[in-house]
Amino acid sequence: AQSVTQPDIHITVSEGASLELRCNYSYGATPYLFWYVQSPGQGLQLLLKYFSGDTLVQGIKGFEAEFKRSQSSFNLRKPSVHWSDAAEYFCAVGKGAAGNKLTFGGGTRVLVKP
Amino acid sequence: DVKVTQSSRYLVKRTGEKVFLECVQDMDHENMFWYRQDPGLGLRLIYFSYDVKMKEKGDIPEGYSVSREKKERFSLILESASTNQTSMYLCASSPGGQGSPLHFGNGTRLTVT
Repeated sequence: AQSVTQPDIHITVSEGASLELRCNYSYGATPYLFWYVQSPGQGLQLLLKYFSGDTLVQGIKGFEAEFKRSQSSFNLRKPSVHWSDAAEYFCAVGKGAAGNKLTFGGGTRVLVKP
Repeated sequence: DVKVTQSSRYLVKRTGEKVFLECVQDMDHENMFWYRQDPGLGLRLIYFSYDVKMKEKGDIPEGYSVSREKKERFSLILESASTNQTSMYLCASSPGGQGSPLHFGNGTRLTVT
């Protein structure tokens, strides 16, 4: 069975500093990988996704993620964090023939200091 | 923009009650999903549906059932609510196709007392 691990439950970062959120997955085949963000009181919004091809993918809000097959990782990065990036971030792996039955990690809550 | 609407933002129910959580999407999506979200556990798939009247169990279906009589509506049913079903419930839809992303509603926070 596939699983997704986000090792960091909380991360605090200063505004303007860089951010990296870790995600490790366990899946037998080539995975469909996603990052979602959940702002307080909101549903989840897709940041970016990876299926194949270039291992560095660009998403919305200035985020990017890099797929590393050898490390079974799909880490999310942003060069300069804004206060509005304070949220909870979820990594997910897609299963099923169409890859849209998602298994989620436990989430990482990001706090942004002024 | 896709809109996924969950009928209630907050619900408080008593143990043993039958509870209905409703979800409607306005983009003619094939697939619909119900997840529950608990701190530290992320989101866990309860049930999903890939067509009208079609449903499939997810990872944690026990204590739940679903109904999809119309394409745009997907209902989650707690036959006899229990306190361990207190949680945030998120509905999502997707158009189908390879790796199509999920579009989520804002969630229903259910408290069972």
